[in-house]
Amino acid sequence: DQQVKQNSPSLSVQEGRISILNCDYTNSMFDYFLWYKKYPAEGPTFLISISSIKDKNEDGRFTVFLNKSAKHLSLHIVPSQPGDSAVYFCAASEAGNTPLVFGKGTRLSVIA
Amino acid sequence: GAGVSQSPSNKVTEKGKDVELRCDPISGHTALYWYRQSLGQGLEFLIYFQGNSAPDKSGLPSDRFSAERTGGSVSTLTIQRTQQEDSAVYLCASSSRSGTKSGANVLTFGAGSRLTVL
Repeated sequence: DQQVKQNSPSLSVQEGRISILNCDYTNSMFDYFLWYKKYPAEGPTFLISISSIKDKNEDGRFTVFLNKSAKHLSLHIVPSQPGDSAVYFCAASEAGNTPLVFGKGTRLSVIA
Repeated sequence: GAGVSQSPSNKVTEKGKDVELRCDPISGHTALYWYRQSLGQGLEFLIYFQGNSAPDKSGLPSDRFSAERTGGSVSTLTIQRTQQEDSAVYLCASSSRSGTKSGANVLTFGAGSRLTVL
């Protein structure tokens, strides 16, 4: 049973436009949600997180939105840059040090 | 060290052989996690160590998999009698957060060890 789902395996966006990556979850006990970015042959790197008590968190070009009633979150990247081309993973955790639960990832391609 | 270090970066082995994968976490990080990523899949949790507590082994797929963490630092993941379905990238991560702290549990990952079982 997949607790964190990223239903779009890939997304292609033009440079300068907005990229929107979506994530759905099923576990209402999740306390924090995180986005990671992964380049080939590298480990995932942390991008941004949001607490379940918030509905928005912004960091530069990256904004994460949380809709708790719909159990849905999204990552907005604006403006998109070619260097943003990578696989993006959505992750979630319950309170404490419980391991992160990851989605399968969405491959973003930003076309110049 | 400055980051999470994993070795080997690549390992090719024959079916039935045992393999050991090593992880050196960020100095001072008390929590250490092992995940694996099979082709086209997300990151699958395997095992988690927090300080001196008993490890959470709930993600280990079979009894052929085991891990230890010596001295609260370096960890070794051992896969016995490897099978072709064990082929994956094995990722280690560490975290500075203790179980009582609030806030997101941000994991720092190593580059991974790519295991290929022929």
